[in-house]
Amino acid sequence: ETGVTQSPTHLIKTRGQQVTLRCSSQSGHNTVSWYQQALGQGPQFIFQYYREEENGRGNFPPRFSGLQFPNYSSELNVNALELDDSALYLCASSLIGTGLAFFGQGTRLTVV
Amino acid sequence: AQSVTQPDIHITVSEGASLELRCNYSYGATPYLFWYVQSPGQGLQLLLKYFSGDTLVQGIKGFEAEFKRSQSSFNLRKPSVHWSDAAEYFCAVGADGGSQGNLIFGKGTKLSVKP
Repeated sequence: ETGVTQSPTHLIKTRGQQVTLRCSSQSGHNTVSWYQQALGQGPQFIFQYYREEENGRGNFPPRFSGLQFPNYSSELNVNALELDDSALYLCASSLIGTGLAFFGQGTRLTVV
Repeated sequence: AQSVTQPDIHITVSEGASLELRCNYSYGATPYLFWYVQSPGQGLQLLLKYFSGDTLVQGIKGFEAEFKRSQSSFNLRKPSVHWSDAAEYFCAVGADGGSQGNLIFGKGTKLSVKP
């Protein structure tokens, strides 16, 4: 158990819709990163939030956006869903400067 | 650009046999290196990490890994595999030095264990 929790565990959305995924970070951590893991692939870094601001971003379009709240929890929002957005979305929390990231169980998103 | 290569997509070993999973990285300086394990449909569990110092690191579940700078490698080993080790294994390098906690992953190696 890492103490990182994600919700929901599964969801199905229709192409063009919007989705919000949630993550509660481990106690004592101040940074949240989001990853997309397509089937059969390794996780790909989407972005990281630190002190409620984006602190690095991978090669993902602007329709992927996020928030971090004062309690360090975070949301990932995806607009205008595409079929290729179907994936396991992983959240990882860390304490900035330590280099150690702990992952949640993920949210399985299916876009139909 | 930083990258991680796991040359083996799928490996099958017999229970009780030894295991070595290969990982090569590309990074200019000494990187932060990690191995994670993922069971089907689950999140990632940290097996071990290397930041600096002793190049042979011990992890959980009896795993170890050796950092070899000359070969840009960080191979994962286990002397005797158990059926419960069947899972997918990911090698990762810390992006931009590593302290931020952002990771670049390889594509993974799926381990099957036969009785």
